[in-house]
Amino acid sequence: AQKITQTQPGMFVQEKEAVTLDCTYDTSDQSYGLFWYKQPSSGEMIFLIYQGSYDEQNATEGRYSLNFQKARKSANLVISASQLGDSAMYFCAMRESLGDYKLSFGAGTTVTVRA
Amino acid sequence: EPEVTQTPSHQVTQMGQEVILRCVPISNHLYFYWYRQILGQKVEFLVSFYNNEISEKSEIFDDQFSVERPDGSNFTLKIRSTKLEDSAMYFCASSVSGQNEKLFFGSGTQLSVL
Repeated sequence: AQKITQTQPGMFVQEKEAVTLDCTYDTSDQSYGLFWYKQPSSGEMIFLIYQGSYDEQNATEGRYSLNFQKARKSANLVISASQLGDSAMYFCAMRESLGDYKLSFGAGTTVTVRA
Repeated sequence: EPEVTQTPSHQVTQMGQEVILRCVPISNHLYFYWYRQILGQKVEFLVSFYNNEISEKSEIFDDQFSVERPDGSNFTLKIRSTKLEDSAMYFCASSVSGQNEKLFFGSGTQLSVL
């Protein structure tokens, strides 16, 4: 079974608008962490934001926020005020204690920001 | 900000040759990982390493693969006899602990097997 599901292979967003990237996860672990990474065309993996399973507040990092709905097992990423430089692949990932804390990645969502 | 360093950024090799991919994790980190990403596919876990031994490995990490931390700073991934299907981007990652916290990735080594 897939641990991380990203159902949107690609999305277009207008510059300066917000975009929400969906991520659902599957775990029986009580302690886990959810991550979003950005991968531009140059290939590196850039950490964006982290949400711990026990964190009561949604994580925010600048223009990035994570909409964490634990009961629904979803961890959607919201990018506000999109910029052309936000065009990239975005990966949702989960780190579980039962999985030796390795990261399991989703298939990714390609975001293209239009001027 | 400290970073994970990977060398080389690109490696081209002939099928059947051995390759060693090098990584320098962040200095106070204790948990090390290798991941790979075949072009257009998701990032896949290969192996985790802690306290000088492998703590977990995936099905991909067969006898052709090995990891080593030879000198307390470098963390290497060796592929003994490369196959065409080993062509991928290989990422090294590290974290301070095994808890749920940020995993720092290197910028990757693009391996091309011809």
